[in-house]
Amino acid sequence: AQTVTQSQPEMSVQEAETVTLSCTYDTSESDYYLFWYKQPPSRQMILVIRQEAYKQQNATENRFSVNFQKAAKSFSLKISDSQLGDAAMYFCATFPASGTYKYIFGTGTRLKVLA
Amino acid sequence: DTAVSQTPKYLVTQMGNDKSIKCEQNLGHDTMYWYKQDSKKFLKIMFSYNNKELIINETVPNRFSPKSPDKAHLNLHINSLELGDSAVYFCASSHRAAKETQYFGPGTRLLVL
Repeated sequence: AQTVTQSQPEMSVQEAETVTLSCTYDTSESDYYLFWYKQPPSRQMILVIRQEAYKQQNATENRFSVNFQKAAKSFSLKISDSQLGDAAMYFCATFPASGTYKYIFGTGTRLKVLA
Repeated sequence: DTAVSQTPKYLVTQMGNDKSIKCEQNLGHDTMYWYKQDSKKFLKIMFSYNNKELIINETVPNRFSPKSPDKAHLNLHINSLELGDSAVYFCASSHRAAKETQYFGPGTRLLVL
């Protein structure tokens, strides 16, 4: 069975600073996808970044980047130049490339951005 | 031009009632999903339909019944509501069942009194 672990229930970062949210996962799949979603107080689930496991290059989207360590099954999210609007719950998720067709989510990390 | 929409956004009802939540996507996607987010923010898949056919049916009470009249709609009907059904329910869609990013609706907060 696939599992996703986010060991930091809550993190804080000063505005304009950098923060890293950790995520580890366990899967027996050889091919899969990894995602970070953001859920602000509005409740909307917003895709932040996506990584294909077969790609060695870390995905980047503007101020958001990942550190994907496939052997260690680690998929951390780095947010640079943090902004007040980054405050939200962040969920890590895995998705197999075949078979069960469903996301497995972690328990989330609440990020607070301090002005 | 909302991509994935859900109605209603809030639903307050009494135990024992029957209620429905509707979901529509205008992205042309083939696959739609229902997720439940509990009070601890844990998100878990409930159902998934691909081209109107059920492909995921997690262990949920049979009081929950999804219905997909066409590819763009996936509704969730809940019979005999219980206190434990209180949660936020998210609809999502993706182009295909596998590999594709899922796009989520705004969620429906259900409160059962």
